[in-house]
Amino acid sequence: NAGVTQTPKFQVLKTGQSMTLQCAQDMNHEYMSWYRQDPGMGLRLIHYSVGAGITDQGEVPNGYNVSRSTTEDFPLRLLSAAPSQTSVYFCASRKGAGGTTSGELFFGEGSRLTVL
Amino acid sequence: DAKTTQPNSMESNEEEPVHLPCNHSTISGTDYIHWYRQLPSQGPEYVIHGLTSNVNNRMASLAIAEDRKSSTLILHRATLRDAAVYYCILSVYSGAGSYQLTFGKGTKLSVIP
Repeated sequence: NAGVTQTPKFQVLKTGQSMTLQCAQDMNHEYMSWYRQDPGMGLRLIHYSVGAGITDQGEVPNGYNVSRSTTEDFPLRLLSAAPSQTSVYFCASRKGAGGTTSGELFFGEGSRLTVL
Repeated sequence: DAKTTQPNSMESNEEEPVHLPCNHSTISGTDYIHWYRQLPSQGPEYVIHGLTSNVNNRMASLAIAEDRKSSTLILHRATLRDAAVYYCILSVYSGAGSYQLTFGKGTKLSVIP
């Protein structure tokens, strides 16, 4: 299994440009999420989804949009990139959408974004 | 929000046991305790989780205090591959039947050959 696949791995944008970070999982997981990690910091939750057609905001949602049209894919869109969005982005998925025993999160390898 | 407190860094000698502490004094009765680790330039990976009882798996053991206000991740024999940032996390109910994991800064574990 490929697990959680993120593309691109590296991207440089200019302020104001838009782009989409792709995330795909082949484990038929209900739950998917996006985190960002800034230098020396832990991960902060941006958006999450508990199933196709259902999304919700995390801790730091401003400046990001998501949609979940299929179980497999959960793209993260930056509509107008800002230097403050320079970060490493991680997509994660897990089998269960709810409940405390919903199991482990599987993470992708990350996408490093630089906004000039 | 339920918070955890961990030391910023710890060192261990190779092939010796490592005890990584975590305080979570505001934990609620339904919060699970999760541990993840992140190797350099990689995404986090699951280590272990538990609710009340101590837990063991192939990677580590989790010892949970009786009052659940603290826990300890135990690596039985540290190897150089165990050098990573270890995150102690409480799952937080966010509605719609979903639980979220909020990562703090973690403990950076260095393993000395």
